Amino acid sequence: ELKVEQNPLFLSMQEGKNYTIYCNYSTTSDRLYWYRQDPGKSLESLFVLLSNGAVKQEGRLMASLDTKARLSTLHITAAVHDLSATYFCAAKYGSGNTGKLIFGQGTTLQVKP
Amino acid sequence: DADVTQTPRNRITKTGKRIMLECSQTKGHDRMYWYRQDPGLGLQLIYYSFDVKDINKGEISDGYSVSRQAQAKFSLSLESAIPNQTALYFCATSDGTSSNEQFFGPGTRLTVL
Repeated sequence: ELKVEQNPLFLSMQEGKNYTIYCNYSTTSDRLYWYRQDPGKSLESLFVLLSNGAVKQEGRLMASLDTKARLSTLHITAAVHDLSATYFCAAKYGSGNTGKLIFGQGTTLQVKP
Repeated sequence: DADVTQTPRNRITKTGKRIMLECSQTKGHDRMYWYRQDPGLGLQLIYYSFDVKDINKGEISDGYSVSRQAQAKFSLSLESAIPNQTALYFCATSDGTSSNEQFFGPGTRLTVL
C-alpha cells in the first residue's frame, strides 16, 4: 500500500530565506504532483513530475523527483509572503494510467516579513 | 466561469439525513473524482469514475455512494449522514493523458450535527 509523508508539516520562515519541503513515498510510483491550497480555497496544481530526475521550476518554487529514492522535493528560493499556503504532494497509486492519487498530509508554510 | 463547480458550497445537516453533493465540469474530461479533506490528513479518495459506465471505490468509500449522470456530472451521496462525515469535500477531473493532472473544484463544506 502506498503511503506518502511530507516533512515538515509546519514551516515558519522569514522572507528572503530558502527552504525545502520533502515528500517521501513508500512504494514505486512514476508520477508525483504538487498542489498549493490557500486557506478556505481549493487546490491549485503547481507541478507534475513524470520521470526520474524530473525538475520543474516556476518563479521561486522548484520541484524535483528521485524515483529511486522515492523522494520529491519542493524548494523555495528567497521566500515572499505571497507563498504562505499549504502545499501538498501526491503520488500516483498503481501501475498504468490509474489516475488514483495518494496525498501527503500537507505542509503549512508561513512566511513572515 | 469556473471549469469545475460544486453545489452546495456549504451545508449543515443532521445525523441520519440523506445528502447529495453535486459536481459539474466544462473541461470535457472523462475522469472525475471525489475526495474528502480532514485537518492534518490531506485528501482521501472516496470514489472515482473514468467514464459514465465506470465507477470505482477509493480508499474510504464506506458510507458514501456516487452517480455519474453524464460525462460532465458526478454526484456524491451520503445515505445516512453521521457526524464523522463532517469534512471538506472536493470534486476533481482529469483528462486521462500521461500526466493525468487533476483539477479541483472549489469544495463543499459539510457539517453533520
